[in-house]
Amino acid sequence: QKEVEQNSGPLSVPEGAIASLNCTYSDRGSQSFFWYRQYSGKSPELIMFIYSNGDKEDGRFTAQLNKASQYVSLLIRDSQPSDSATYLCAVHNAGGTSYGKLTFGQGTILTVHP
Amino acid sequence: DAEITQSPRHKITETGRQVTLACHQTWNHNNMFWYRQDLGHGLRLIHYSYGVHDTNKGEVSDGYSVSRSNTEDLPLTLESAASSQTSVYFCASRIGSNTEAFFGQGTRLTVV
Repeated sequence: QKEVEQNSGPLSVPEGAIASLNCTYSDRGSQSFFWYRQYSGKSPELIMFIYSNGDKEDGRFTAQLNKASQYVSLLIRDSQPSDSATYLCAVHNAGGTSYGKLTFGQGTILTVHP
Repeated sequence: DAEITQSPRHKITETGRQVTLACHQTWNHNNMFWYRQDLGHGLRLIHYSYGVHDTNKGEVSDGYSVSRSNTEDLPLTLESAASSQTSVYFCASRIGSNTEAFFGQGTRLTVV
C-alpha cells in the first residue's frame, strides 16, 4: 500500500464548477497535510495546509481533513481555466523512523474547460 | 530575497558516470529534501536531512547519496548514473517539521 494515494485522474470540470480532489494516507501518526499545485514545467507551490480535523477555507479553496478515516480532500469552488494543473497531496509523518518525512501522492491532473 | 536554487537546470550524462546535482538555500532552513518526479509517480523522496551531518534515506534512495556539511547545501550524487535515473529532480527545504516546504526550480537529468 502506498503511503499517500490520490484519486486517479485526470479530472475534467467545466468552468465555474466545483473540483474535488481526494487523498488517503496510511500512517496514522501523520500530523499535517499539504496541498500543492504544480503547473506544467514548474515547481510545486503550496496552496494550503491543514492540521486539525474539519474544514479550512481560503478563498475558493477548502481543505477537509478526517483523521479517523485517514482522508484529506481539496475542494476548488468556481473553478477557472487557470486552475488547470497537477495537484499534489503531501503528508508530514510524525512517528518512529518516518519522523520528519514529507511524502507526496502521485498527483491528480485537473483540467478546467471553458 | 532568500531563495532555493538548483544547478544545473539541465544535464545530459552517460551511463556509468558520477553526477552531482547542487541545491543551495539561503533561508537557513534545517530540513532539506531531494525528490524525483516521473510521469504517474508524483514526487518520490530520495533523501532528506534534518540538519548538518544528518542524512536519511527515502523510498527510492538506491544509487543516490547526499551529504550535509553546512546548513545551506544538500548536494545529490548519483554514484554511477543509469538510464532509470533519467528524471526531473527537485530539491526542497523548510524551517522545521509541520511547516511549508519550498521547492527549487528543478533539474532535468537525462542519462544516455
